[in-house]
Amino acid sequence: GENVEQHPSTLSVQEGDSAVIKCTYSDSASNYFPWYKQELGKRPQLIIDIRSNVGEKKDQRIAVTLNKTAKHFSLHITETQPEDSAVYFCAPSGAGSYQLTFGKGTKLSVIP
Amino acid sequence: DVKVTQSSRYLVKRTGEKVFLECVQDMDHENMFWYRQDPGLGLRLIYFSYDVKMKEKGDIPEGYSVSREKKERFSLILESASTNQTSMYLCASSLNGINEQFFGPGTRLTVL
Repeated sequence: GENVEQHPSTLSVQEGDSAVIKCTYSDSASNYFPWYKQELGKRPQLIIDIRSNVGEKKDQRIAVTLNKTAKHFSLHITETQPEDSAVYFCAPSGAGSYQLTFGKGTKLSVIP
Repeated sequence: DVKVTQSSRYLVKRTGEKVFLECVQDMDHENMFWYRQDPGLGLRLIYFSYDVKMKEKGDIPEGYSVSREKKERFSLILESASTNQTSMYLCASSLNGINEQFFGPGTRLTVL
């Protein structure tokens, strides 16, 4: 099965700074790369995703970059705000499978 | 708006009891999933289903079974609950193929 690692496991930033979370995966056939956000006590929700034919995707303050050769993709959050505080999960999928393999999560704290 | 609902938010059961967790989605999604979420371990896939009466094992199926008799409903069954099955259980659904998964609110199960 897919091995997924997320780094760092915790991240504290000052409000207004940028945050970057990296996800490495093992299956070279993976072709879908989403990031989910889970606020305390809430359900996970997709915030951005990218497919393997695209190297970068941006949506306002968040972006995802993909390096298929190195088998990693990263979540970038700029101008962080307190409401960005949450746990973020990467969840790459393997080719031919509907299954997402979730990373262990990164707890982001944005300090006002 | 996709709505995924789960039968209970909190459940307390005794060791050895048979436990049913039910998930319903209202968006005609083909795929449905059951995960458990434990601190520091992320979300781990128990079972998923890509069609009525079809099921596939995920990463941790031991001690669990599932049932999907109708497209909108996916049940998780703990045949004989054990204390190590105390966890948060999350249901999700998605359109056919590899797409965004929409999560339910979760059921926090405690087995005494």
